[in-house]
Amino acid sequence: DIQMTQSPSSLSASLGDRIIITCQASQDIRNHLIWYQQKSGQAPEFVIYDVSNLKSGVPSRFSGSGSGTHFTFTITNLQPEDVATYYCQQYDRVPITFGQGTRLEIK
Amino acid sequence: EVELLESGGGLFPPGGSVRLSCVGSGFTFNDYTLTWVRQSPGQGLEWVSAISGSGGTQYYAGSVKGRFTISRDNSKNTLFLQINGLRAEDTALYYCAKQSWGSGSPRGHFDSWGQGTFLTVSS
Repeated sequence: DIQMTQSPSSLSASLGDRIIITCQASQDIRNHLIWYQQKSGQAPEFVIYDVSNLKSGVPSRFSGSGSGTHFTFTITNLQPEDVATYYCQQYDRVPITFGQGTRLEIK
Repeated sequence: EVELLESGGGLFPPGGSVRLSCVGSGFTFNDYTLTWVRQSPGQGLEWVSAISGSGGTQYYAGSVKGRFTISRDNSKNTLFLQINGLRAEDTALYYCAKQSWGSGSPRGHFDSWGQGTFLTVSS
Protein backbone atom coordinates (compact mmCIF):
# COMPACT_ATOMS: atom_id res chain seq x y z
CA ASP A 1 0.00 0.00 0.00
CA ILE A 2 1.15 3.56 -0.65
CA GLN A 3 1.70 5.44 2.59
CA MET A 4 0.83 9.13 2.64
CA THR A 5 2.72 11.03 5.31
CA GLN A 6 1.16 14.40 6.00
CA SER A 7 2.60 17.14 8.17
CA PRO A 8 2.09 18.89 10.41
CA SER A 9 -0.69 17.07 12.21
CA SER A 10 -1.97 20.35 13.58
CA LEU A 11 -1.35 23.98 12.84
CA SER A 12 -2.31 27.23 14.50
CA ALA A 13 -1.97 30.41 12.49
CA SER A 14 -3.23 33.98 12.50
CA LEU A 15 -5.71 35.60 10.17
CA GLY A 16 -3.95 36.72 7.02
CA ASP A 17 -1.10 34.23 7.43
CA ARG A 18 0.16 31.80 4.83
CA ILE A 19 0.18 28.16 5.81
CA ILE A 20 1.73 25.19 4.10
CA ILE A 21 0.86 21.52 4.54
CA THR A 22 3.05 18.84 3.08
CA CYS A 23 2.24 15.33 1.93
CA GLN A 24 4.88 12.73 1.16
CA ALA A 25 4.02 9.56 -0.74
CA SER A 26 5.97 6.35 -0.14
CA GLN A 27 6.32 5.89 -3.89
CA ASP A 28 5.81 7.85 -7.09
CA ILE A 29 2.14 8.72 -7.53
CA ARG A 30 2.66 10.98 -10.54
CA ASN A 31 0.02 13.73 -10.28
CA HIS A 32 -2.67 11.55 -8.68
CA LEU A 33 -3.01 13.66 -5.57
CA ILE A 34 -6.14 15.24 -4.10
CA TRP A 35 -6.67 17.66 -1.20
CA TYR A 36 -9.85 17.60 0.87
CA GLN A 37 -11.20 20.01 3.42
CA GLN A 38 -13.36 18.67 6.24
CA LYS A 39 -15.10 21.14 8.50
CA SER A 40 -16.34 20.06 11.90
CA GLY A 41 -19.39 17.81 11.67
CA GLN A 42 -19.38 17.76 7.88
CA ALA A 43 -18.38 15.37 5.14
CA PRO A 44 -15.09 16.05 3.37
CA GLU A 45 -15.07 18.16 0.20
CA PHE A 46 -12.34 18.15 -2.38
CA VAL A 47 -10.68 21.51 -2.90
CA ILE A 48 -7.81 20.59 -5.20
CA TYR A 49 -7.55 17.69 -7.64
CA ASP A 50 -4.60 16.33 -9.58
CA VAL A 51 -2.08 18.25 -7.47
CA SER A 52 -2.92 21.80 -8.46
CA ASN A 53 -6.36 22.10 -10.04
CA LEU A 54 -8.71 24.18 -7.96
CA LYS A 55 -12.33 23.08 -7.57
CA SER A 56 -14.73 25.58 -9.07
CA GLY A 57 -15.74 28.12 -6.45
CA VAL A 58 -12.78 27.54 -4.17
CA PRO A 59 -10.91 30.81 -3.48
CA SER A 60 -7.67 31.34 -5.36
CA ARG A 61 -5.81 31.73 -2.06
CA PHE A 62 -5.83 27.91 -2.00
CA SER A 63 -3.17 26.26 -4.10
CA GLY A 64 -1.30 23.00 -4.52
CA SER A 65 1.96 21.92 -6.06
CA GLY A 66 4.38 19.03 -6.32
CA SER A 67 4.96 15.86 -8.28
CA GLY A 68 6.12 12.31 -7.81
CA THR A 69 6.36 11.86 -4.06
CA HIS A 70 6.36 15.33 -2.54
CA PHE A 71 3.37 17.65 -2.51
CA THR A 72 2.35 20.86 -0.80
CA PHE A 73 -0.94 22.58 -0.08
CA THR A 74 -0.91 26.30 0.62
CA ILE A 75 -3.46 28.75 1.91
CA THR A 76 -2.53 32.42 1.73
CA ASN A 77 -4.35 35.20 3.56
CA LEU A 78 -5.89 32.78 6.04
CA GLN A 79 -9.57 33.42 6.76
CA PRO A 80 -11.84 32.24 9.61
CA GLU A 81 -13.78 29.96 7.27
CA ASP A 82 -10.60 28.01 6.53
CA VAL A 83 -10.70 26.35 9.95
CA ALA A 84 -10.92 22.66 9.11
CA THR A 85 -8.98 19.45 8.87
CA TYR A 86 -7.21 18.94 5.56
CA TYR A 87 -6.36 15.56 4.03
CA CYS A 88 -4.30 14.51 1.07
CA GLN A 89 -5.29 11.40 -0.87
CA GLN A 90 -3.59 9.38 -3.60
CA TYR A 91 -5.38 7.41 -6.28
CA ASP A 92 -2.40 6.13 -8.23
CA ARG A 93 -2.75 2.64 -6.77
CA VAL A 94 -5.49 0.69 -5.09
CA PRO A 95 -6.01 0.77 -2.17
CA ILE A 96 -6.61 4.49 -2.23
CA THR A 97 -4.93 6.00 0.80
CA PHE A 98 -5.25 9.24 2.74
CA GLY A 99 -2.80 11.23 4.79
CA GLN A 100 -3.41 11.42 8.53
CA GLY A 101 -4.87 14.91 8.29
CA THR A 102 -3.83 18.39 9.39
CA ARG A 103 -6.03 20.21 11.83
CA LEU A 104 -5.91 23.95 11.12
CA GLU A 105 -7.04 26.47 13.69
CA ILE A 106 -6.88 30.23 14.02
CA LYS A 107 -4.82 31.75 16.82
CA GLU B 1 -27.79 18.08 -7.92
CA VAL B 2 -26.02 14.93 -6.81
CA GLU B 3 -27.23 13.48 -3.53
CA LEU B 4 -26.07 10.46 -1.61
CA LEU B 5 -28.00 9.25 1.41
CA GLU B 6 -26.61 6.57 3.65
CA SER B 7 -28.57 4.46 6.12
CA GLY B 8 -28.36 1.27 8.10
CA GLY B 9 -26.02 2.28 10.90
CA GLY B 10 -26.76 1.90 14.60
CA LEU B 11 -25.65 -0.19 17.55
CA PHE B 12 -24.67 -3.75 16.78
CA PRO B 13 -22.98 -6.45 18.88
CA PRO B 14 -19.50 -7.78 18.24
CA GLY B 15 -19.64 -10.74 15.91
CA GLY B 16 -22.87 -9.56 14.34
CA SER B 17 -23.64 -8.39 10.84
CA VAL B 18 -24.98 -5.22 9.28
CA ARG B 19 -25.80 -3.98 5.81
CA LEU B 20 -25.29 -0.32 5.08
CA SER B 21 -27.06 1.31 2.17
CA CYS B 22 -26.54 4.43 0.11
CA VAL B 23 -29.13 5.79 -2.29
CA GLY B 24 -27.90 8.08 -5.03
CA SER B 25 -29.73 10.64 -7.11
CA GLY B 26 -28.99 13.45 -9.52
CA PHE B 27 -26.58 11.46 -11.70
CA THR B 28 -26.55 8.40 -13.95
CA PHE B 29 -25.89 5.87 -11.22
CA ASN B 30 -24.25 3.08 -13.24
CA ASP B 31 -21.85 5.48 -14.96
CA TYR B 32 -19.72 5.83 -11.84
CA THR B 33 -17.57 3.79 -9.52
CA LEU B 34 -18.79 4.23 -5.96
CA THR B 35 -16.80 4.00 -2.76
CA TRP B 36 -17.17 3.57 0.99
CA VAL B 37 -14.90 5.62 3.21
CA ARG B 38 -15.02 5.41 6.99
CA GLN B 39 -13.92 7.69 9.78
CA SER B 40 -13.50 6.43 13.32
CA PRO B 41 -14.39 8.93 16.06
CA GLY B 42 -11.83 11.70 16.15
CA GLN B 43 -9.71 9.97 13.53
CA GLY B 44 -8.85 10.36 9.86
CA LEU B 45 -10.35 9.02 6.68
CA GLU B 46 -9.95 5.40 5.66
CA TRP B 47 -10.85 4.10 2.22
CA VAL B 48 -12.73 0.84 2.69
CA SER B 49 -14.07 -0.46 -0.60
CA ALA B 50 -15.13 0.49 -4.11
CA ILE B 51 -17.23 -1.07 -6.85
CA SER B 52 -17.27 -0.50 -10.58
CA GLY B 53 -20.26 1.01 -12.31
CA SER B 54 -21.55 -2.32 -13.53
CA GLY B 55 -20.96 -3.93 -10.15
CA GLY B 56 -18.73 -6.51 -11.76
CA THR B 57 -15.48 -5.56 -10.01
CA GLN B 58 -14.98 -4.92 -6.32
CA TYR B 59 -12.00 -3.46 -4.52
CA TYR B 60 -11.21 -3.73 -0.81
CA ALA B 61 -8.78 -2.40 1.73
CA GLY B 62 -6.65 -5.16 3.18
CA SER B 63 -7.97 -4.45 6.64
CA VAL B 64 -11.53 -5.43 5.67
CA LYS B 65 -11.06 -8.03 2.98
CA GLY B 66 -12.99 -11.20 3.76
CA ARG B 67 -15.44 -9.54 6.14
CA PHE B 68 -16.83 -6.72 4.00
CA THR B 69 -18.79 -7.17 0.78
CA ILE B 70 -19.65 -4.26 -1.46
CA SER B 71 -22.47 -4.50 -3.97
CA ARG B 72 -24.87 -2.31 -5.86
CA ASP B 73 -28.35 -2.46 -7.36
CA ASN B 74 -28.31 -0.11 -10.30
CA SER B 75 -32.03 -0.57 -10.88
CA LYS B 76 -32.60 1.02 -7.47
CA ASN B 77 -29.68 3.46 -7.49
CA THR B 78 -28.43 1.86 -4.31
CA LEU B 79 -24.99 0.96 -3.03
CA PHE B 80 -24.52 -1.56 -0.22
CA LEU B 81 -21.85 -2.57 2.25
CA GLN B 82 -22.33 -5.87 4.05
CA ILE B 83 -20.16 -6.22 7.16
CA ASN B 84 -19.87 -9.57 8.89
CA GLY B 85 -18.03 -10.53 12.06
CA LEU B 86 -18.34 -7.02 13.46
CA ARG B 87 -15.44 -5.79 15.58
CA ALA B 88 -15.12 -2.83 17.91
CA GLU B 89 -12.67 -1.27 15.46
CA ASP B 90 -15.43 -1.14 12.83
CA THR B 91 -17.07 1.61 14.90
CA ALA B 92 -17.04 4.60 12.58
CA LEU B 93 -18.99 7.00 10.43
CA TYR B 94 -19.38 5.34 7.04
CA TYR B 95 -19.57 7.63 4.04
CA CYS B 96 -20.45 6.69 0.51
CA ALA B 97 -18.74 8.78 -2.12
CA LYS B 98 -19.05 9.17 -5.86
CA GLN B 99 -15.96 9.11 -8.02
CA SER B 100 -15.55 12.18 -10.17
CA TRP B 101 -15.25 10.24 -13.40
CA GLY B 102 -15.19 6.72 -14.74
CA SER B 103 -16.93 3.49 -13.96
CA GLY B 104 -13.89 1.26 -13.77
CA SER B 105 -11.05 1.04 -11.31
CA PRO B 106 -10.91 3.61 -8.52
CA ARG B 107 -9.38 6.86 -9.76
CA GLY B 108 -9.78 10.57 -9.53
CA HIS B 109 -11.29 12.43 -6.66
CA PHE B 110 -14.52 11.95 -4.79
CA ASP B 111 -16.69 14.82 -5.91
CA SER B 112 -19.79 14.01 -3.88
CA TRP B 113 -20.19 12.55 -0.41
CA GLY B 114 -23.16 11.60 1.69
CA GLN B 115 -23.46 12.73 5.28
CA GLY B 116 -22.60 9.27 6.55
CA THR B 117 -24.22 6.62 8.71
CA PHE B 118 -22.72 5.87 12.11
CA LEU B 119 -22.00 2.29 13.07
CA THR B 120 -21.30 1.43 16.68
CA VAL B 121 -20.08 -2.02 17.55
CA SER B 122 -20.49 -2.72 21.22
CA SER B 123 -22.07 -5.21 23.57
